[in-house]
Amino acid sequence: GAGVSQSPSNKVTEKGKDVELRCDPISGHTALYWYRQRLGQGLEFLIYFQGNSAPDKSGLPSDRFSAERTGESVSTLTIQRTQQEDSAVYLCASSTNRANEQFFGPGTRLTVL
Amino acid sequence: QKEVEQNSGPLSVPEGAIASLNCTYSDRGSQSFFWYRQYSGKSPELIMSIYSNGDKEDGRFTAQLNKASQYVSLLIRDSQPSDSATYLCAVRTGFQKLVFGTGTRLLVSP
Repeated sequence: GAGVSQSPSNKVTEKGKDVELRCDPISGHTALYWYRQRLGQGLEFLIYFQGNSAPDKSGLPSDRFSAERTGESVSTLTIQRTQQEDSAVYLCASSTNRANEQFFGPGTRLTVL
Repeated sequence: QKEVEQNSGPLSVPEGAIASLNCTYSDRGSQSFFWYRQYSGKSPELIMSIYSNGDKEDGRFTAQLNKASQYVSLLIRDSQPSDSATYLCAVRTGFQKLVFGTGTRLLVSP
């Protein structure tokens, strides 16, 4: 079956523009996570969705970042008024439930000029 | 103290040797432990999961867990140059989010 997919694979934008990143989890996976990985750095947790529960937004770095997920399907991560420090790879992962292994998508490489 | 700690490396081993990657964690209540491999420019790939004390083997990989010492390790036998990557340790406590270490870079020389 298909794995986690993300789009676009690459995004170049100008400082101050808004961007929207998309994640399609593995079918049947109830949990969905977003991470950020700056060049040469570790994974930085951003937000977590589990079914219809309130999302865990504790990792969002500022109010410019937001994410939505409808049910157990697609999620979008929106970054408003992008800054150069937002340049990173944004990774999405899904799992069957909170206790099981996460599987990662290929990521979206965001470059803010 | 970081929640999950790994030596950043690089850990250099010759081809055919055993590579030993280590990880310590701070939350004594942690219950689920994972090793991911990340090649440069790629996303993390799950290698092993371990939930009970002791060893778990899968091919050339062995995960070892010692909850009393709050220590989890990954052994790679007969290391190959294709094993050169960054290895991420991840730990979960109950239904909390997965916490990742910063990774250990492994270099296997031919």
